[in-house]
Amino acid sequence: ILNVEQSPQSLHVQEGDSTNFTCSFPSSNFYALHWYRWETAKSPEALFVMTLNGDEKKKGRISATLNTKEGYSYLYIKGSQPEDSATYLCAFTGTASKLTFGTGTRLQVTL
Amino acid sequence: DVKVTQSSRYLVKRTGEKVFLECVQDMDHENMFWYRQDPGLGLRLIYFSYDVKMKEKGDIPEGYSVSREKKERFSLILESASTNQTSMYLCASVSGQGSYNSPLHFGNGTRLTVT
Repeated sequence: ILNVEQSPQSLHVQEGDSTNFTCSFPSSNFYALHWYRWETAKSPEALFVMTLNGDEKKKGRISATLNTKEGYSYLYIKGSQPEDSATYLCAFTGTASKLTFGTGTRLQVTL
Repeated sequence: DVKVTQSSRYLVKRTGEKVFLECVQDMDHENMFWYRQDPGLGLRLIYFSYDVKMKEKGDIPEGYSVSREKKERFSLILESASTNQTSMYLCASVSGQGSYNSPLHFGNGTRLTVT
């Protein structure tokens, strides 16, 4: 089983703060890295699928970067809002392997 | 929009019962997956299927089986439910055989309690 680690495990920020979390994954045989947002009582929703080293993707106030050579991806949220409160999951797949999820970063944004 | 529908949001079953969790997707996706989510652990893959009547074991298949008789439906079966199978179960689908460069589409989850 591949090791995909996310940090921090949980995070508590004030509205308007910018924040970021990390996903670490094996640096060999990289194929794709996924980011999902999972709000309570809803289904996980895809944010990004990243496949190229150096890739940067953006969706509104959320962006992500990818470094396949060193095996990490950062997710950034600019100006956090209460509706950003969720668990953020990353998932890694190598060539000829299944998608392996990290344990997630739980974000709580308060007023 | 892709819709992945899981038949039950909450289920309570007794130890030893046979349990069926149903999942239906409406976008003609080849790949379908069953995961479970437990506190402190990531989503763990139980079984997946890349085509009708095809199935592959995931990381934790023990105590489970699956059925894929039609492309849109993927069922998870607990042959004899045990308390350690109390968990949140998530179904997902994605297009393309064996391809993970597209995002997974998830159902809302079934929270199963085995007493």
